[in-house]
Amino acid sequence: QQQVKQSPQSLIVQKGGISIINCAYENTAFDYFPWYQQFPGKGPALLIAIRPDVSEKKEGRFTISFNKSAKQFSLHIMDSQPGDSATYFCAASRNTGNQFYFGTGTSLTVIP
Amino acid sequence: EAGVVQSPRYKIIEKKQPVAFWCNPISGHNTLYWYLQNLGQGPELLIRYENEEAVDDSQLPKDRFSAERLKGVDSTLKIQPAELGDSAVYLCASSVKPQGYEQYFGPGTRLTVT
Repeated sequence: QQQVKQSPQSLIVQKGGISIINCAYENTAFDYFPWYQQFPGKGPALLIAIRPDVSEKKEGRFTISFNKSAKQFSLHIMDSQPGDSATYFCAASRNTGNQFYFGTGTSLTVIP
Repeated sequence: EAGVVQSPRYKIIEKKQPVAFWCNPISGHNTLYWYLQNLGQGPELLIRYENEEAVDDSQLPKDRFSAERLKGVDSTLKIQPAELGDSAVYLCASSVKPQGYEQYFGPGTRLTVT
């Protein structure tokens, strides 16, 4: 059973546009929600993360919006750039953060 | 600070052959993870170590997979014998306990079984 459901599977955005990726979870014990960015041939790299005590976290052009009641969270990439083209994974973790569940990934292509 | 190091980066073997992957985590990171990543999918945990102890190996197919982290630093993941379905990327990650939330991933080993 997929613990974290991610959509869309792929996304094409014009340069300067907003990229939005969504994730949903069921387990209310999850208490840490990171987003990872992965380039071809590389391992995932932590991009930004949020805990359920806040509804939004912003770091530069990247923002996580978190809706605890709906059990959903999303990644917004503002002013998307061609260099943002990568695969993005959401994840969720509980308790001490040692058990992570990843979404299936979103392949983002930013067109110049 | 050096990142997580994995070797080899690529490996091609015939089915039924053994294969081993090596991981050196970031210095001082007590927790080490091995993940399996199939094409187009997110990483799936195989095993997690706290120092030299395997604290979660529930997803490790123990009939053919084994892992060790003898001195609580680097780790080896072995498959014997390999099957066609084992073709995937094997990722190693590490984190600092108790701040175990932030994981740092290595570049992975891409295994192709023919």
